[in-house]
Amino acid sequence: GEDVEQSLFLSVREGDSSVINCTYTDSSSTYLYWYKQEPGAGLQLLTYIFSNMDMKQDQRLTVLLNKKDKHLSLRIADTQTGDSAIYFCAESITGNQFYFGTGTSLTVIP
Amino acid sequence: DAGVTQSPTHLIKTRGQQVTLRCSPKSGHDTVSWYQQALGQGPQFIFQYYEEEERQRGNFPDRFSGHQFPNYSSELNVNALLLGDSALYLCASSLAGIRQAYEQFFGPGTRLTVL
Repeated sequence: GEDVEQSLFLSVREGDSSVINCTYTDSSSTYLYWYKQEPGAGLQLLTYIFSNMDMKQDQRLTVLLNKKDKHLSLRIADTQTGDSAIYFCAESITGNQFYFGTGTSLTVIP
Repeated sequence: DAGVTQSPTHLIKTRGQQVTLRCSPKSGHDTVSWYQQALGQGPQFIFQYYEEEERQRGNFPDRFSGHQFPNYSSELNVNALLLGDSALYLCASSLAGIRQAYEQFFGPGTRLTVL
């Protein structure tokens, strides 16, 4: 459970949808997470999904999980300038140790 | 309801020195994890404390040690500092249990600079 990969940058226009992708290697992952980090701040838990689920929706956020391809995505609907931040995908098998990706920097253009 | 708090916010040390970072978990949480986040990278797991014992450890040398107190707060100690130890150190708290353990809440971090 140590390889979690994300693309480094994403740029979208305000009001459009953003899709941030993540791939992981450990099929034993039980929980998969999305965290948001704003400049100079800690990590904010956005949402997480159990490995026995395919989709989870929470207001503007939709998480899709493809276990076969070990692919996780986060869709942000109606992206706002306040959504500009770094988004981290993370996985955990036991809930004790989390493995994080390198983060995707989302820039929202007004 | 106070979230996870960490102190100090920033710290500057020189090579070879020792440093202690502190963390108070979110109210009601009993488990504390520490992560190191180098510039431009994702957080790397250092170790986790539960019931005052180190429960799990990542791939970090013995120079990194920790402690958890009866009130669930925790300290991270780093000895013989190296330039490469410069990073943001994040503390995360959670509640032991089947479901709650999977929700880790992070503090704002301590920025350590080693000169």
